[in-house]
Parts: sequence; C-alpha cells; structure tokens
Amino acid sequence: QSVLTQPPSVSAAPGQKVTISCSGSSSNIGNNYVSWYQQLPGTAPKLLIYDNNKRPSGIPDRFSGSKSGTSATLGITGLQTGDEADYYCGTWDSSLSAYWVFGGGTKLTVL
Amino acid sequence: QLQLQESGPGLVKPSETLSLTCTVSGGSISSSSYYWGWIRQPPGKGLEWIGSIYYSGSTYYNPSLKSRVTISVDTSKNQFSLKLSSVTAADTAVYYCARYSSGMDVWGQGTTVTVSS
Repeated sequence: QSVLTQPPSVSAAPGQKVTISCSGSSSNIGNNYVSWYQQLPGTAPKLLIYDNNKRPSGIPDRFSGSKSGTSATLGITGLQTGDEADYYCGTWDSSLSAYWVFGGGTKLTVL
Repeated sequence: QLQLQESGPGLVKPSETLSLTCTVSGGSISSSSYYWGWIRQPPGKGLEWIGSIYYSGSTYYNPSLKSRVTISVDTSKNQFSLKLSSVTAADTAVYYCARYSSGMDVWGQGTTVTVSS
C-alpha cells in the first residue's frame, strides 16, 4: 500500500477536463514539493509537473498542478486520446529518514 | 541532450545479487545540481523508488529495501550502479535509472530483470 493515495482510475470524454488527486500527510506532501509523471503504455515515466505547479519545457499548458495542505491535484483539460496513460504523484517523505514516495498510480481512460 | 542507459543481466537467480549500471551521456554526473536514482516497476504494478545518490556519494534508500541495497557512483566513468542482494521473485521488475533535480526529469528506457532459477 502506497504512502500517497491516488484513485485507481478516472475517465472522461475527449475534450473534457479531469482531475487526479494525491493524498498524503504532513511528513510528505504537507512539507515537500510534489511532482507528477505520465507513463504511456510500455514506456518510461515522463515528468509532467514539478514543484507542485511548474511545467517542464515542452509540456502543454493543458496540464496543471496544485497543492493544498496534504493533498495535491493534477488537472488535464482538453483531453485527447493520446492522454490515456498511468499518472503518478511523487514527493519526499521525512517520517523516518528522507526517502522518496510515489502514489499508487491512476489509470486515465479517455472514452 | 542528457541520456541515461541502464545495463546489466536480464536474469538473476534467487538468493543472488542483482547488479545494474546506469551510464550518463550528454552531461556530467558530477553536477552539483542533481541526484541520481533507481526506480523499479514490477509487472502490472506501480512505481517503487529504490534509492538515490549524489555525486559526492551521499545516499538515500527506501527503508523497505535498505538492508539489501547499495547504490554507488563512478564519476570517472560517468556511471552509477545498483546492487540488490538476496533477490527473490518479488524483485522481478523493470528497473529505471533517473536524474533528479526538482522532480525526476530524465529517465532511462528501463531494463527488465527477471529473478528465476
């Protein structure tokens, strides 16, 4: 069971908006930056969002991130079939020693 | 453009030590701005962070794997390595190496390691 909790799956129609939540605690999300990753089938993960809400060069502004307290959210607008993928949140945790934690992942289906 | 490439045996016997190397090209592993890490993904499952290393040799490990993991860096070869001892079938996974600054921004393509006799 992951330290960070994500819904197993979400779905929406093309062109619509979807949000993916990531719930943690004060030892991880509450006191550290969150990043989000997209993993298309059969490929390595790709960084989508870092430092809670920043997009790396080349990531379209359809992707957004936010954080409030011990939860973070990834938003995707104008859904495309190519957005079908697994999405993971991640951050540092300092409850024991410093270590990185990922959420369990969310499968996005674009209907 | 920075690239990472994992290498190592694709098949490891139970109770033996898994050894992988990540070669960094297009940039220096000695940059003070980055950590270098290993992540794995068992078949059909999510991502699991294994550990990270700084070019100076400082390491951070997943507490659940710490007793079996060693990550080291060889700045002369621009490589860092993973050793995971006493492997079992539960260690069968795709193993990725990645660069970390603010988030893991560069990933290798991954290498599949199967633990089987």
